[in-house]
Amino acid sequence: AQTVTQSQPEMSVQEAETVTLSCTYDTSESDYYLFWYKQPPSRQMILVIRQEAYKQQNATENRFSVNFQKAAKSFSLKISDSQLGDAAMYFCAYRSAETSGSRLTFGEGTQLTVNP
Amino acid sequence: EPEVTQTPSHQVTQMGQEVILRCVPISNHLYFYWYRQILGQKVEFLVSFYNNEISEKSEIFDDQFSVERPDGSNFTLKIRSTKLEDSAMYFCASSDYHRGYSYEQYFGPGTRLTVT
Repeated sequence: AQTVTQSQPEMSVQEAETVTLSCTYDTSESDYYLFWYKQPPSRQMILVIRQEAYKQQNATENRFSVNFQKAAKSFSLKISDSQLGDAAMYFCAYRSAETSGSRLTFGEGTQLTVNP
Repeated sequence: EPEVTQTPSHQVTQMGQEVILRCVPISNHLYFYWYRQILGQKVEFLVSFYNNEISEKSEIFDDQFSVERPDGSNFTLKIRSTKLEDSAMYFCASSDYHRGYSYEQYFGPGTRLTVT
């Protein structure tokens, strides 16, 4: 079974600074997807960014980028120019690409605080 | 932009009662999911549904739970006899399916279930 681990329960960053959230995972599969979801206080789950395991290039979405290290099974999220609205719980998630419609497996989450 | 909707936003019920949580997935999506999140914990997969049948379920999804797509738009989760430990946020999600692959799962805003 796949597992996802987020070792940082809490992180804080100054507004306009850069912060990196860590995630590691364990799998025996070669084809999979990795995601970062944001959960603000409203508890809505919002997709931030996606990475396909077969792609060597790291995904980027505006101020959000990932550092995907397949051999190390590491998938960190970098938030540049942090804004107050980035404050939320961030979940790393894994999904197999070997089965259609497979489940998401989430990490424990990292609570990000953005200080003005 | 299309979105997943869920009703009600908050449900309070007494232990032993039946509850039905409702979801309207994004209209052209073919995979549907239920997840739950106990307060302060990570998001856990319950069940996935495709082509009018369960495609995968977790060990949490026991005989007390059932899912149904009663018409072309709704997707429901029924808990037959609620227990205190069923208190959680329940998220519905849906994903597209094209050429053998399913894509990102888009989440609804959640239903907060409180069992007293």
